Amino acid sequence: QQQVKQSPQSLIVQKGGISIINCAYENTAFDYFPWYQQFPGKGPALLIAIRPDVSEKKEGRFTISFNKSAKQFSLHIMDSQPGDSATYFCAAESFGNEKLTFGTGTRLTIIP
Amino acid sequence: DTGVSQDPRHKITKRGQNVTFRCDPISEHNRLYWYRQTLGQGPEFLTYFQNEAQLEKSRLLSDRFSAERPKGSFSTLEIQRTEQGDSAMYLCASSLGAGTDTEAFFGQGTRLTVV
Repeated sequence: QQQVKQSPQSLIVQKGGISIINCAYENTAFDYFPWYQQFPGKGPALLIAIRPDVSEKKEGRFTISFNKSAKQFSLHIMDSQPGDSATYFCAAESFGNEKLTFGTGTRLTIIP
Repeated sequence: DTGVSQDPRHKITKRGQNVTFRCDPISEHNRLYWYRQTLGQGPEFLTYFQNEAQLEKSRLLSDRFSAERPKGSFSTLEIQRTEQGDSAMYLCASSLGAGTDTEAFFGQGTRLTVV
């Protein structure tokens, strides 16, 4: 049973545009929602994370929007750059059960 | 480099052989995790340690897999009698643990190919 569903599977965005990746979860016990960025041949690296007590968190060009009632959260990358081309994973974790459940990933390509 | 270190980076082995991977976490981190990632998928949890204690094992971790973390520092993941289905990237992560900063830092992984 996939507990975190991620879409789209791949995304092509023009340089300077906004990249949007969506995730939905089922387990209401989840209380920590990170996004990871992974380049080929590398391990995932934490990009930004949110807890459900806020609806939005912004760090530089990266913003997480969180909708607790809909059990959805999304990553927005503003002013997308070619260096942002990577695979992005959403994840979720619950206190007392500290292991990350990952989505299936979105391969983002930023074209000039 | 003060990040999570994994060794080897790549391993090619014949079916039926045993393999062992090593992970050195960030030094002050008391939690250590192993994940497996297959092509086109997100990492899947295998097991984790709080210091030297193995606290949880996924059902994905068959009895051919064993993990240890002696003295609560580095960890090893051993796969016995490897099968082609074991081919994957094995990722190690570490964190300070619950109640503080739960951010997990990942190593670069060990890519296993079983031929």
